[in-house]
Amino acid sequence: DAGVTQSPTHLIKTRGQQVTLRCSPKSGHDTVSWYQQALGQGPQFIFQYYEEEERQRGNFPDRFSGHQFPNYSSELNVNALLLGDSALYLCASSLNTIGHQYFGPGTRLTVT
Amino acid sequence: KQEVTQIPAALSVPEGENLVLNCSFTDSAIYNLQWFRQDPGKGLTSLLLIQSSQREQTSGRLNASLDKSSGRSTLYIAASQPGDSATYLCAVLNSGNTPLVFGKGTRLSVIA
Repeated sequence: DAGVTQSPTHLIKTRGQQVTLRCSPKSGHDTVSWYQQALGQGPQFIFQYYEEEERQRGNFPDRFSGHQFPNYSSELNVNALLLGDSALYLCASSLNTIGHQYFGPGTRLTVT
Repeated sequence: KQEVTQIPAALSVPEGENLVLNCSFTDSAIYNLQWFRQDPGKGLTSLLLIQSSQREQTSGRLNASLDKSSGRSTLYIAASQPGDSATYLCAVLNSGNTPLVFGKGTRLSVIA
């Protein structure tokens, strides 16, 4: 049984560009949450998707958007990248919005 | 607004020592509390999850306790090993369908 998978593993982008990160949830899970983890910090909640809708959102600007597909996989999009967007982006899946969250390996985004 | 604090920020111990990591949270209306392990540049591995109605959970050499009324949790690691070296994160899920709130973590080094 595959756990949570994320792609790509690493990504380097230039300021002002746009990026899309992908997440496939653990089998049987229907909810995906995204987190941003800056170096030396704990993960910060970005948003959560359930039934293809954004259910909760953290304190992130509208440059951060997402999508959930009918197969429960999810994308995180970031527009107009800033240097401060450099971080490890973590995806977590769960069975419903309050279930135990299982985390993927993350995508390391570097903005130059 | 829930805030999670972890003390100490970093800890270095000799192999074989028993140790305690601390986590405190400001809002006691929690649904559950989780302890995670994170290796450098990697995703999160869930170690223990304690429901709000529980006092402790054990897995192998790890024991986590929860005192909801005082807003505290501890992670006890017995007979530490160099392979235990990692960052340990505490996260709280509040009641009312709110997202996981993380502490900044404790970076543990176990010296052989």
